[in-house]
Amino acid sequence: QQQVKQSPQSLIVQKGGISIINCAYENTAFDYFPWYQQFPGKGPALLIAIRPDVSEKKEGRFTISFNKSAKQFSLHIMDSQPGDSATYFCAASISDYKLSFGAGTTVTVRA
Amino acid sequence: EPEVTQTPSHQVTQMGQEVILRCVPISNHLYFYWYRQILGQKVEFLVSFYNNEISEKSEIFDDQFSVERPDGSNFTLKIRSTKLEDSAMYFCASRAEGTGRRHFGDGTRLSIL
Repeated sequence: QQQVKQSPQSLIVQKGGISIINCAYENTAFDYFPWYQQFPGKGPALLIAIRPDVSEKKEGRFTISFNKSAKQFSLHIMDSQPGDSATYFCAASISDYKLSFGAGTTVTVRA
Repeated sequence: EPEVTQTPSHQVTQMGQEVILRCVPISNHLYFYWYRQILGQKVEFLVSFYNNEISEKSEIFDDQFSVERPDGSNFTLKIRSTKLEDSAMYFCASRAEGTGRRHFGDGTRLSIL
């Protein structure tokens, strides 16, 4: 059972553009929704996370939008930079229990 | 910022052999995890460990796998009899009390020949 579905699989954006990655989940008990950034040869690093009591969270150029009724959340990367080129994973968990990861999105930012 | 460190960075092992992957979690963290990532695929949960016992494990974590915290700093994953399909990146992660944030190490690439 795929608990978190992520799309698109990959995207290419011009420098300065907006990257948007979407995730949908099934388990309504999930209460923690992080996004991880992974560079080749490195482990996933937490980028930003949200809990279901808020609909949006912004940290610098990164924003999570959360729609509890639709069971969807998305990551927006504003003013995309070549250094943002990486694989991004959404994830979800019930409190302290296991993180279920999405399949990942490879983002390429063209200069 | 404190880091989770994993050794070795790359392990090559013959099928059927035992392998131990080592991790040093962040010092004041209490929750420890192993995940794996088969090349090009998503990160998969294996096991979580708290208070010297397994708190949760996935269906991947069968009897061939075990975890141990042999002292106050190390956290190990042992695979007793490796199979070709065990080839993957294995990530250790740790978490402090009161936060959902898992800190990941850079992984050990396990290659089974």
